[in-house]
Amino acid sequence: GESVGLHLPTLSVQEGDNSIINCAYSNSASDYFIWYKQESGKGPQFIIDIRSNMDKRQGQRVTVLLNKTVKHLSLQIAATQPGDSAVYFCAENMGHPGRRALTFGSGTRLQVQP
Amino acid sequence: DSGVTQTPKHLITATGQRVTLRCSPRSGDLSVYWYQQSLDQGLQFLIQYYNGEERAKGNILERFSAQQFPDLHSELNLSSLELGDSALYFCASSPGQGLGNQPQHFGDGTRLSIL
Repeated sequence: GESVGLHLPTLSVQEGDNSIINCAYSNSASDYFIWYKQESGKGPQFIIDIRSNMDKRQGQRVTVLLNKTVKHLSLQIAATQPGDSAVYFCAENMGHPGRRALTFGSGTRLQVQP
Repeated sequence: DSGVTQTPKHLITATGQRVTLRCSPRSGDLSVYWYQQSLDQGLQFLIQYYNGEERAKGNILERFSAQQFPDLHSELNLSSLELGDSALYFCASSPGQGLGNQPQHFGDGTRLSIL
C-alpha cells in the first residue's frame, strides 16, 4: 500500500531520460542535506548527502546541487530507470545541539514511463 | 537493507489501547530516532536517544514515550490511542549524536492502524 500522501507533486519521465527533482529548504542555518528515496511499503533509503561548504556532489547516476543563496537543493538522476520510481524527499539538518533532527520536505513522486 | 530492524511490521488495535514498537539500530550506531509519517503530515520527528539518554524532542505527544536500552535497542510506547495516531512509525539510527554530516538510516517502519 501507499506509504505517503496521495497528493504529492509528481514528476513523470521517460525511461532513459534525466530527472531533476527540486527542493526548497527552510532554514538558512542548515548545514547538512540529504536526499532519500522511499518506495511503497519501505522506509526512506539514503541516496546522497551534501554539506553546506559544497555546491555539488556526485554519486552513482545521481548528482546533488546546493544553492545556498536561494536555499535550493536539487537531485539529478541520470538515465532514469523504472526502478527509480518512488517518492523522493530532501531533508535538512542544522547541526545544532538543540536541533539534531532532520526536517523533511513534503516529497516528490517520480514516475518512470517505460 | 539498511540494517535497522523494526517490529512488528503491522499493528492493529483499538482506541484507548497501548502499544509498544521496537527498533534495533544498525550495528555500531549509538543514536536512535523515531519519526511518524501520516498521509497529511509527512515525516515528523518525534524523539532521539543517544547511548541510552534522551537527546532531542520533536512533536511527540505526552501520551507517547520512548526509551533506549543498554543494548541500544529502543522502544516507542504509545498509549490512550486515538484514531489520529494511525500512521507509519519509523525508526532511524546514526553513529553519532546527529549533529550533522552523518546520514540517518531508516527501518521499514511499523504501520499502526487504530480501529
